Amino acid sequence: GIQVEQSPPDLILQEGANSTLRCNFSDSVNNLQWFHQNPWGQLINLFYIPSGTKQNGRLSATTVATERYSLLYISSSQTTDSGVYFCAVEDQGAQKLVFGQGTRLTINP
Amino acid sequence: GAVVSQHPSWVICKSGTSVKIECRSLDFQATTMFWYRQFPKQSLMLMATSNEGSKATYEQGVEKDKFLINHASLTLSTLTVTSAHPEDSSFYICSLSRVWEQFFGPGTRLTVL
Repeated sequence: GIQVEQSPPDLILQEGANSTLRCNFSDSVNNLQWFHQNPWGQLINLFYIPSGTKQNGRLSATTVATERYSLLYISSSQTTDSGVYFCAVEDQGAQKLVFGQGTRLTINP
Repeated sequence: GAVVSQHPSWVICKSGTSVKIECRSLDFQATTMFWYRQFPKQSLMLMATSNEGSKATYEQGVEKDKFLINHASLTLSTLTVTSAHPEDSSFYICSLSRVWEQFFGPGTRLTVL
């Protein structure tokens, strides 16, 4: 099946810093989503982005489908941005999501 | 996006008992729901796909007789962990697809003593 790799596994930054999270996937995909899992475990949808670029406030994402990677950018980080960020992709022809191992982001005040 | 609820939020049970977890779609009729499991500091792993009115499809390595799934209506899917053991302690999360995106419930933390 499809493989999803995220990097870095851990990232510790000071408030106000910018960060880039990467997601590589091993095959063509129909769907790619980025999620933020908060400290209570809730997965929050950030982007549905199988290709192209999207922006939402301080967050933006770019997926280059032909090169099989996606990037999540967080600018001017805040402590509330802390948590685990997951990339998940859907196999072509299947409906189920395959998750990467996540990037644990810690923003210190 | 879709609103998904789960009940209970957390449950503690004794080894050998069965536990039922409910997943409800509050604003959308979902023909398909998904059940995931997440162990501490790990990623989410799909357990099964729940189809309304038919049998669930289980992922390889997931015991269908241990994790019973019932999708009796377009807004409710249930996961029953039968004869739970301490190794079944985990965070169980359901989701549903709306258009192209999946939306997740808040999760149920199961602790088996």
